[in-house]
Amino acid sequence: EPEVTQTPSHQVTQMGQEVILRCVPISNHLYFYWYRQILGQKVEFLVSFYNNEISEKSEIFDDQFSVERPDGSNFTLKIRSTKLEDSAMYFCASRVPGQPTRDYGYTFGSGTRLTVV
Amino acid sequence: GIQVEQSPPDLILQEGANSTLRCNFSDSVNNLQWFHQNPWGQLINLFYIPSGTKQNGRLSATTVATERYSLLYISSSQTTDSGVYFCAVEPGGGNKLTFGTGTQLKVEL
Repeated sequence: EPEVTQTPSHQVTQMGQEVILRCVPISNHLYFYWYRQILGQKVEFLVSFYNNEISEKSEIFDDQFSVERPDGSNFTLKIRSTKLEDSAMYFCASRVPGQPTRDYGYTFGSGTRLTVV
Repeated sequence: GIQVEQSPPDLILQEGANSTLRCNFSDSVNNLQWFHQNPWGQLINLFYIPSGTKQNGRLSATTVATERYSLLYISSSQTTDSGVYFCAVEPGGGNKLTFGTGTQLKVEL
């Protein structure tokens, strides 16, 4: 079964440093997403990306965050000048456009646990 | 935005028991998925079920879209079923999943 791959699985960074979280979505998927889950809380939407541009972003996704699809396979989330409150699990997800006969929903990666110290 | 409520928030079961988890949502949806978050934090997709009933082994799910709720049934629970169960929905015309607050399940020997 196709998978969404995320690297690294765990990253520790110092406050103020920049981090890049990487994702390889499923190859024939067209929509890509980043979600965040602070420890003990629910999973929150950050941003969606389609046709090489952001299609929607949440209030959380401020100027500190950026996303990029630098080539045909990778999808990255960059956090500039990390803060303690950025410590969370970050999930990448992808999907094909909704079609009743082909829609299997969103596929999530295994997550990157980011710890800011 | 759409509201997603899950109940109960916490559940403790003895191994072998059955349980029902509920997800209520406030608007019509294109997509509804159930996930299991394991102790390592991974989100495991259980069902894509915007309507109807599906079964996979000891798990089954039913979504009644017209009444805006979904149920996840776990039969003959095992300790490996422990973790958090999330319901997530995509509203009609939307293009992102909104997650509920989850049900924390603990299965004891």
